[in-house]
Amino acid sequence: DVKVTQSSRYLVKRTGEKVFLECVQDMDHENMFWYRQDPGLGLRLIYFSYDVKMKEKGDIPEGYSVSREKKERFSLILESASTNQTSMYLCASSFVAGGPIEQFFGPGTRLTVL
Amino acid sequence: AQSVSQHNHHVILSEAASLELGCNYSYGGTVNLFWYVQYPGQHLQLLLKYFSGDPLVKGIKGFEAEFIKSKFSFNLRKPSVQWSDTAEYFCAVILWEGGGADGLTFGKGTHLIIQP
Repeated sequence: DVKVTQSSRYLVKRTGEKVFLECVQDMDHENMFWYRQDPGLGLRLIYFSYDVKMKEKGDIPEGYSVSREKKERFSLILESASTNQTSMYLCASSFVAGGPIEQFFGPGTRLTVL
Repeated sequence: AQSVSQHNHHVILSEAASLELGCNYSYGGTVNLFWYVQYPGQHLQLLLKYFSGDPLVKGIKGFEAEFIKSKFSFNLRKPSVQWSDTAEYFCAVILWEGGGADGLTFGKGTHLIIQP
């Protein structure tokens, strides 16, 4: 079974703090993704990566950055947390294939910024 | 940019009722379609997916969905719902252009409540 793990289920930070959210997958997937989930808005793509050290902006990258130094690990960074970044953050991964792809999701990190 | 529209944000049904949740997408190219479910307190799980072939796809827990290309729709159905189907349901689309490294585009979700 594919396993995508996230470092924390719940996190509380203060405005202005630098925040790191970590994601690890154990299936040697090339692609990794960060989404945020907000009530009434569904999931929105923040950043994704299709290879080590490669990254692409998603639909809402402002205020975030990412790091992928190893294939299995994809970090989301909030350089200076703000209250509007209070949300549920979901990490996902998928493999590269000659055909369609399915993404596997982690359990999520609920971040509260005070 | 592609978009996904889910028609109902909140649905309340009684047990044994039939369910249909609507999903329409905006992109006309080759797409892969998914329904994900999130049970209370649990992580997002794949319910079913359409890649190609038979437009009627069957998923877990008795769910099915029909892809109608001419209508850009991928509606989710279940003939008889159970209390345990109470959850948030998300329709998602990904553009297939080889490799599939892009992210999924999700609808805003439908919160389904099944009353005993």
